[in-house]
Amino acid sequence: QQPVQSPQAVILREGEDAVINCSSSKALYSVHWYRQKHGEAPVFLMILLKGGEQKGHEKISASFNEKKQQSSLYLTASQLSYSGTYFCGTDNTGTASKLTFGTGTRLQVTL
Amino acid sequence: DAGVIQSPRHEVTEMGQEVTLRCKPISGHDYLFWYRQTMMRGLELLIYFNNNVPIDDSGMPEDRFSAKMPNASFSTLKIQPSEPRDSAVYFCASSLVYNSPLHFGNGTRLTVT
Repeated sequence: QQPVQSPQAVILREGEDAVINCSSSKALYSVHWYRQKHGEAPVFLMILLKGGEQKGHEKISASFNEKKQQSSLYLTASQLSYSGTYFCGTDNTGTASKLTFGTGTRLQVTL
Repeated sequence: DAGVIQSPRHEVTEMGQEVTLRCKPISGHDYLFWYRQTMMRGLELLIYFNNNVPIDDSGMPEDRFSAKMPNASFSTLKIQPSEPRDSAVYFCASSLVYNSPLHFGNGTRLTVT
């Protein structure tokens, strides 16, 4: 079963912040985050492992709440280049090789 | 590194025809994945290989779909016979080891008329 992402879509002005959530109905072992621009392939952003750690990548960071079976992606001081669709990929089996991708969140950053 | 290479980029075929999609993973990567992306169903895992061995093909929709990895540098996804509902973008991805980032190819946009 696909993890559910929220919101489905968000429009930001450059410099604003956003949070994208990813919720799973099953136990989470790890979470991957990817960004896909229109007509292109998904590009890796970060991996979070069991333990609730928070990771960062430039002005993009993420958290992983094992108990709540969810992860959140934080985008601060958004830039035009952040526009795209964000996907979480969850490992619900502990194999870490079989990722189930979420429904996607479309993010548009405007001037 | 050249990244994951897929061919063709676009494929238009008629219902009933055989379609073969090709993928060259990044050299040294142990895992290879085939995903399908549609507006309705998003990114779905079809099958994945570890060291050229198919590990999980539970996502392959029907017997019309088959995938092979004859060696570490090449994989194919075949659809025979193709149907209009197979129209989608098919991505191949590879990863270095267990629980490492997926590197996606540019995808093959398949249209079955």
